[in-house]
Amino acid sequence: QSVLTQPPSASGTPGQRVTISCSGGSSNIGSNYVYWYQQLPGTAPKLLIYKHNRRPSGVPDRFSGSKSGTSASLAISGLRSEDEADYYCAAWDDSLSGYVFGTGTKVTAL
Amino acid sequence: QVQLQESGPGLVKPSQTLSLTCSVSGVSISSESYYWSWFRQPAGKGLEWIGRIYISGSTNYNPSLKSRVTISVDTSKNQVSLNLSSVTAADTAVYYCARDQQLALNGFDPWGQGTLVTVSS
Repeated sequence: QSVLTQPPSASGTPGQRVTISCSGGSSNIGSNYVYWYQQLPGTAPKLLIYKHNRRPSGVPDRFSGSKSGTSASLAISGLRSEDEADYYCAAWDDSLSGYVFGTGTKVTAL
Repeated sequence: QVQLQESGPGLVKPSQTLSLTCSVSGVSISSESYYWSWFRQPAGKGLEWIGRIYISGSTNYNPSLKSRVTISVDTSKNQVSLNLSSVTAADTAVYYCARDQQLALNGFDPWGQGTLVTVSS
């Protein structure tokens, strides 16, 4: 069961800015770091954003993250066809003493 | 370069125990810097965290699976194992392992390529 809520899909034309939301609660996003993972078709997830807004080495700067209260967002500035993938948010949940994931958002470049 | 590789039976019968191994290279699982986590993803569905282990033996499990899950380490082989008992068709999924950088709060990285487990008689 997913504790974090994301829109099922998001899309944009190449070059556009696309934003994905992730809604949680006080026990997860509200009190812990948010992470974002990118899953390209047929592959394993890959760390995209950590600690709300930091990018691992090699992740393009067109990907950015933010958090406000019990929600977080991932933005893709200048959408490219290779960004077509499923995106998941995640956070530690103090009430569950475990990690929770978002429901996932499929991003499509029109 | 840190790499993880899941392995195990691709087919498990209902009511039996699913057993998978995550072979780690490029870093010692005995490192005090990391946890090691397991996940699963049913076809066409989202990611679910199963649980994790620290080298001390300390574990955390998803409450929804806790009664059926055991995660352990074999330091001599640099492997992390997952056992899930009393499986049903609902446990059919791709199973992943990943390094859990919880202590530095740096997320799950890297991930293994995943292994598909089908529960069927």
